[in-house]
Amino acid sequence: QQQVKQSPQSLIVQKGGISIINCAYENTAFDYFPWYQQFPGKGPALLIAIRPDVSEKKEGRFTISFNKSAKQFSLHIMDSQPGDSATYFCAAKGQGGSEKLVFGKGTKLTVNP
Amino acid sequence: EAGVTQSPTHLIKTRGQQATLRCSPISGHTSVYWYQQALGLGLQFLLWYDEGEERNRGNFPPRFSGRQFPNYSSELNVNALELEDSALYLCASSWDGYSNQPQHFGDGTRLSIL
Repeated sequence: QQQVKQSPQSLIVQKGGISIINCAYENTAFDYFPWYQQFPGKGPALLIAIRPDVSEKKEGRFTISFNKSAKQFSLHIMDSQPGDSATYFCAAKGQGGSEKLVFGKGTKLTVNP
Repeated sequence: EAGVTQSPTHLIKTRGQQATLRCSPISGHTSVYWYQQALGLGLQFLLWYDEGEERNRGNFPPRFSGRQFPNYSSELNVNALELEDSALYLCASSWDGYSNQPQHFGDGTRLSIL
């Protein structure tokens, strides 16, 4: 019940296209859903995060869509650029200190020029 | 603002040895988290320290341990190293661990076991 399932494992998109990464969870106690971006040789960097009281959050070209009833959330990267090529991780956490941040297994995104 | 810093960048050990990894959090952050990122397995939560105390622990054996110092920096110790301990060890920090504050990561220590 602590798992976060992420798909696809890898994704190839042309420059200017839309990249879509999906995540699903089972634990209804999760109430914080961040996305991280990781470049080779670097640690994950927080990209954008959402809480379940909103269905969508947009920051620049990055949008999180959240479907509470389906227990799914997704990251959309509009106008994808070669510089977006990285591994993306979704994560989820319940409220309170005893809860840990649970990560999906990651999606390797390649944006071709 | 300086980010989370980890040292060393790389560490090579042999089976049975002990490894010590270090982390300095972002100034003002009191919570420090340790994660293991093994190939193909994503990030696995190891330990959470806040105000000098271990607050939570992931599903790892007791030979993984650590501590947090009064200046909020932290050490991760791995005893009796095994080949499967080879991984990138990431440290993250946040303002506190109780209110879902964002966790900010360092660039990790690559631990290789020969």
